[in-house]
Amino acid sequence: AQSVSQHNHHVILSEAASLELGCNYSYGGTVNLFWYVQYPGQHLQLLLKYFSGDPLVKGIKGFEAEFIKSKFSFNLRKPSVQWSDTAEYFCAVNARNYGGSQGNLIFGKGTKLSVKP
Amino acid sequence: NAGVMQNPRHLVRRRGQEARLRCSPMKGHSHVYWYRQLPEEGLKFMVYLQKENIIDESGMPKERFSAEFPKEGPSILRIQQVVRGDSAAYFCASSSSAGNVDTQYFGPGTRLTVL
Repeated sequence: AQSVSQHNHHVILSEAASLELGCNYSYGGTVNLFWYVQYPGQHLQLLLKYFSGDPLVKGIKGFEAEFIKSKFSFNLRKPSVQWSDTAEYFCAVNARNYGGSQGNLIFGKGTKLSVKP
Repeated sequence: NAGVMQNPRHLVRRRGQEARLRCSPMKGHSHVYWYRQLPEEGLKFMVYLQKENIIDESGMPKERFSAEFPKEGPSILRIQQVVRGDSAAYFCASSSSAGNVDTQYFGPGTRLTVL
């Protein structure tokens, strides 16, 4: 069965610090990869996605993620965080051509990011 | 451009009552997905529907839960005879194409509390 692991449950950083949130998935085939963000009191918003092509993808608000197929990883990065980045971040995977569902997103448990001003 | 709409945002039910959660997809989207988020957990897939059809309900509990997406109107997730363990946030998402080739956009969720 597919699964997604997010290594950090809660990350606390000071403003201007660099951020890297880990995400690993288990599935040997072709995947679509996503990072969603949930700001306090708001709904899930798409941060960035990878379907194919350049494995380094850029998203909104200065975030980027790198797909490393050999490591089954899709880590999220930002060079300099701001207080407004305080939120919960979810990595999600969808398997293309998966024998079962065509729409099933598998989510990690999320990483809470707290940025101190 | 309205996003995915869900109502109610908060729903309180007593054990044994029925809960009905509604989801209106983004304009032009005909694919709807329901997910459940338990405390301290990520979102778990429940069901995938495309107008009038259930495509995949592999994540749906076998009893008490049902979903529909009629030709007209919102998608409905129905939970009969609710129990305390049903307390969770229920999120709906929609996409314009099949979920394995398209991005899913999420609604604000319905927080169900069972007393």
